[in-house]
Amino acid sequence: GDSVTQMEGPVTLSEEAFLTINCTYTATGYPSLFWYVQYPGEGLQLLLKATKADDKGSNKGFEATYRKETTSFHLEKGSVQVSDSAVYFCALNYGGSQGNLIFGKGTKLSVKP
Amino acid sequence: GAVVSQHPSWVICKSGTSVKIECRSLDFQATTMFWYRQFPKQSLMLMATSNEGSKATYEQGVEKDKFLINHASLTLSTLTVTSAHPEDSSFYICSAARRGWKNQPQHFGDGTRLSIL
Repeated sequence: GDSVTQMEGPVTLSEEAFLTINCTYTATGYPSLFWYVQYPGEGLQLLLKATKADDKGSNKGFEATYRKETTSFHLEKGSVQVSDSAVYFCALNYGGSQGNLIFGKGTKLSVKP
Repeated sequence: GAVVSQHPSWVICKSGTSVKIECRSLDFQATTMFWYRQFPKQSLMLMATSNEGSKATYEQGVEKDKFLINHASLTLSTLTVTSAHPEDSSFYICSAARRGWKNQPQHFGDGTRLSIL
């Protein structure tokens, strides 16, 4: 079945460092891909998404490109801030908003001042 | 602001108690709502898909008699954990899909932390 694999955390970086969180997927069809962020004690917030190959999602300085050839959707940010500390989930689904999401295990990011 | 309200945000109760969690879409109609469960330091696992006016579809391994889901209106779905036990302690999160907005993302509630003593 379909699945999402994320790099193991936790990831600890200094402020202004470059961030990459790897995400690869296994899919039987052509899913949409998402990154969600979960701040401590809160629910999930959509960070960015891409619905087809070569699409780039971006938001708040974060970017991820839908790479069909490598089945990847790596999250990047050029300069992280302390406020970016959170757990990041990569996910996929079919059927737009009507389809359930399949999540990776999440990667905890801690950014130190 | 939040478009999906989940209540309560935190509940602590004794073993054997039944607990109801509500998920409301605040300014839109939600034909489909999803219920997820998140164990500490793990990912979200889909428990069931709730469609307005019909029975919920449960994922394999989820006991439908244990986790009762009702989606009686286009703005409200409820999850009732019946006769809860310590192993049911977890973080439960709902999400809602806007009616007719197939290409828009789902909206998540802030989750309910359930602790069974």
